[in-house]
Amino acid sequence: AQSVTQPDIHITVSEGASLELRCNYSYGATPYLFWYVQSPGQGLQLLLKYFSGDTLVQGIKGFEAEFKRSQSSFNLRKPSVHWSDAAEYFCAVVAPNAGGTSYGKLTFGQGTILTVHP
Amino acid sequence: GAGVSQSPSNKVTEKGKDVELRCDPISGHTALYWYRQSLGQGLEFLIYFQGNSAPDKSGLPSDRFSAERTGGSVSTLTIQRTQQEDSAVYLCASSRDRDREYEQYFGPGTRLTVT
Repeated sequence: AQSVTQPDIHITVSEGASLELRCNYSYGATPYLFWYVQSPGQGLQLLLKYFSGDTLVQGIKGFEAEFKRSQSSFNLRKPSVHWSDAAEYFCAVVAPNAGGTSYGKLTFGQGTILTVHP
Repeated sequence: GAGVSQSPSNKVTEKGKDVELRCDPISGHTALYWYRQSLGQGLEFLIYFQGNSAPDKSGLPSDRFSAERTGGSVSTLTIQRTQQEDSAVYLCASSRDRDREYEQYFGPGTRLTVT
């Protein structure tokens, strides 16, 4: 079945430490890939996206993600975490066009809650 | 400029009542999406609008759910005869045009509680 998996439900890091959030997808072809962040009581904000080309993509707030086709992964990274990064992070995909009209219907992973210790 | 807005921000209703949730997309955005976020199911797609038509309603969980969009702008999601399992945060998103439909901007959501 087509799916998006975020293996880590909850991650805790110390402020200033590096961060990697994992995302794996299961689709027949490479989907379009996204990372969103949701702060408490807020809507979703797009951090970055991958459609094609360079497999290392840069996003807002100092985040980056690397697409690895061989591993069906799109992991999110940040070299040094700030306390304000505490939030829930969602990996999402737009399934490849199966011949119908393509549009941006998102399928989300389960989310990873990030806690940052001072 | 203004982002996607949703109203009300919170809604508490009794089981069996009807509710209407409103979404105002970013001006000029032709695509509009509704999603639902609940503890048990995570984030789920409900319906997609391109202009005023809805080519994909596949995520609506039952016939108690309906949505419309008028003037290519405001959208209303209606839930009839609400049930406790309808309790969730309902999120609306919009995107600019067909070429950039993948870049969705989300509203803050409406938290629906059915008692």
